[in-house]
Amino acid sequence: KQEVTQIPAALSVPEGENLVLNCSFTDSAIYNLQWFRQDPGKGLTSLLLIQSSQREQTSGRLNASLDKSSGRSTLYIAASQPGDSATYLCADHHNTDKLIFGTGTRLQVFP
Amino acid sequence: DAGVTQSPTHLIKTRGQQVTLRCSPKSGHDTVSWYQQALGQGPQFIFQYYEEEERQRGNFPDRFSGHQYPNYSSELNVNALLLGDSALYLCASSPKRGSAGELFFGEGSRLTVL
Repeated sequence: KQEVTQIPAALSVPEGENLVLNCSFTDSAIYNLQWFRQDPGKGLTSLLLIQSSQREQTSGRLNASLDKSSGRSTLYIAASQPGDSATYLCADHHNTDKLIFGTGTRLQVFP
Repeated sequence: DAGVTQSPTHLIKTRGQQVTLRCSPKSGHDTVSWYQQALGQGPQFIFQYYEEEERQRGNFPDRFSGHQYPNYSSELNVNALLLGDSALYLCASSPKRGSAGELFFGEGSRLTVL
């Protein structure tokens, strides 16, 4: 059974800090890895998709890396802002047809 | 360009009833997947529809069924509702089945079963 684990489960930091969110997966045949943001009671917003042939992707203050050999991905958030407060989910594209999600990291950035 | 749209946004049902949730995929997308997200958990894959057929299914009972129409929109039906079916139901679309491309999600339908 493929599993995705996210550490830490929750994180509270002051504004301006640089953050690293961790995602571990057991899938040795992972296709792609996708990071999402979810605001309370809302749907998922795609942040970054790292294809299996890539090692990282960047979008603005976000950078995500993928290390298939170690089964890990990290999401780096630079200069965090209160508006970054949300739950961050990583998902293993286990095959081309479905995603396997972690339980998320709940982030709070306070002014 | 409209993204993935879902309806209704919230609904309340009682045990034993049936519910239908609806999804319109993002423009240009032909593949629709459904996920169930219980409170505090990550989404769980229910099934995927492509070319009006169920292509892959997660570990959900037959009470969960679906449909895809020629315009790619989709429905999720749940029969004989249980208290444990209370969750946020998310629809995701992607541009091409088998491409492992980026999935886009709707805002979800929050189902409460009393």
